[in-house]
Amino acid sequence: KAGVTQTPRYLIKTRGQQVTLSCSPISGHRSVSWYQQTPGQGLQFLFEYFSETQRNKGNFPGRFSGRQFSNSRSEMNVSTLELGDSALYLCASSPYHRGGVAGANVLTFGAGSRLTVL
Amino acid sequence: DAKTTQPTSMDCAEGRAANLPCNHSTISGNEYVYWYRQIHSQGPQYIIHGLKNNETNEMASLIITEDRKSSTLILPHATLRDTAVYYCIVRGRSNDYKLSFGAGTTVTVRA
Repeated sequence: KAGVTQTPRYLIKTRGQQVTLSCSPISGHRSVSWYQQTPGQGLQFLFEYFSETQRNKGNFPGRFSGRQFSNSRSEMNVSTLELGDSALYLCASSPYHRGGVAGANVLTFGAGSRLTVL
Repeated sequence: DAKTTQPTSMDCAEGRAANLPCNHSTISGNEYVYWYRQIHSQGPQYIIHGLKNNETNEMASLIITEDRKSSTLILPHATLRDTAVYYCIVRGRSNDYKLSFGAGTTVTVRA
């Protein structure tokens, strides 16, 4: 079956602009989570969506937002871009919202969207 | 979610077994141990997970201690393509459901 698809794979923006990244989860997966990865900070949790509702949010400013559609596809948006937003943005999907309720909850990651802010 | 501690890096000879330790001393009873790896500039790849018992799949084996406070990922016959950062994660049911990745272990397989 198809994996997690993230688009675009690469993009370059300038400071002050905004960007929208897209994630199509594995068919049947209802949970989508987003992560930011940078060399200095490692992999950091942004937010998680399940059934079109944000279920959890990491410690990022309000410039970072997201949403999930009825078909489980998700988008994240970063407004007023800063140089420090340059990163690999990863999306992961899983069947469930919480691990342990229905057993283990394996995340499947996409290849990521690499954002460069100039 | 419980925090994990892993060595920063380790080397392994090609064809030999690679044993990657992980400490998760604050793990709770319904939390699973998951291992992922990330090859440079790619998304993390799921390897294996376990709750209490040792587990094996086509990629690796997972050995969990009886008290569940630590585990070891075993790559039985390391190849150059196994060079990656390996993340040990503990994840379970929680009201504050934030998945966190530590720094991981950078594994370098040498010919």
